[in-house]
Amino acid sequence: KAGVTQTPRYLIKTRGQQVTLSCSPISGHRSVSWYQQTPGQGLQFLFEYFSETQRNKGNFPGRFSGRQFSNSRSEMNVSTLELGDSALYLCASSQDRPGDTQYFGPGTRLTVL
Amino acid sequence: AQSVTQLGSHVSVSEGALVLLRCNYSSSVPPYLFWYVQYPNQGLQLLLKYTSAATLVKGINGFEAEFKKSETSFHLTKPSAHMSDAAEYFCAVRVNSNYQLIWGAGTKLIIKP
Repeated sequence: KAGVTQTPRYLIKTRGQQVTLSCSPISGHRSVSWYQQTPGQGLQFLFEYFSETQRNKGNFPGRFSGRQFSNSRSEMNVSTLELGDSALYLCASSQDRPGDTQYFGPGTRLTVL
Repeated sequence: AQSVTQLGSHVSVSEGALVLLRCNYSSSVPPYLFWYVQYPNQGLQLLLKYTSAATLVKGINGFEAEFKKSETSFHLTKPSAHMSDAAEYFCAVRVNSNYQLIWGAGTKLIIKP
């Protein structure tokens, strides 16, 4: 099976712009979670989608949003970018049992100038 | 609320020495526990997980972890460190009622030659 794929891998934006990141989960996985990783804050949970519905949400401002499509692919959007949004954004997919493993993609490195 | 504590943001060991990375969790119900590893500029990879079967769990790359309910711990060990083990290690917990993973802050493992 192909792993979790994320596009693009690298992105450079300027303050005030918006960005959309894409995640394709492993075939058959219906849960997709998004994380922000920075050196200072570590791994921070953004949100989780299951069957096109947001099931869990972390403590991020409304500028961060996401969605999931019927084929389980997911996108996250960040509007009005700030310098502090520079981070590695990781996507993970899993099946729908609590003991299931989350499989991570390689991440999208976003740099905001 | 559930939480995960990883003791030591950095752990340094000599090549060939024992690796011990500590993880303590708080949960009022039996948890699912995970250890992930992250190599530079990559996503996270599952090392091992506890899902209420055997309390001693063996993972990839010679790592293992023991679930100790009385100590609410799930420490990660490896008998003999190798240079290739240098990475960041994350402990995570999930309880049955909530599909969200709760993450520790991570421990960077440094291997001295």
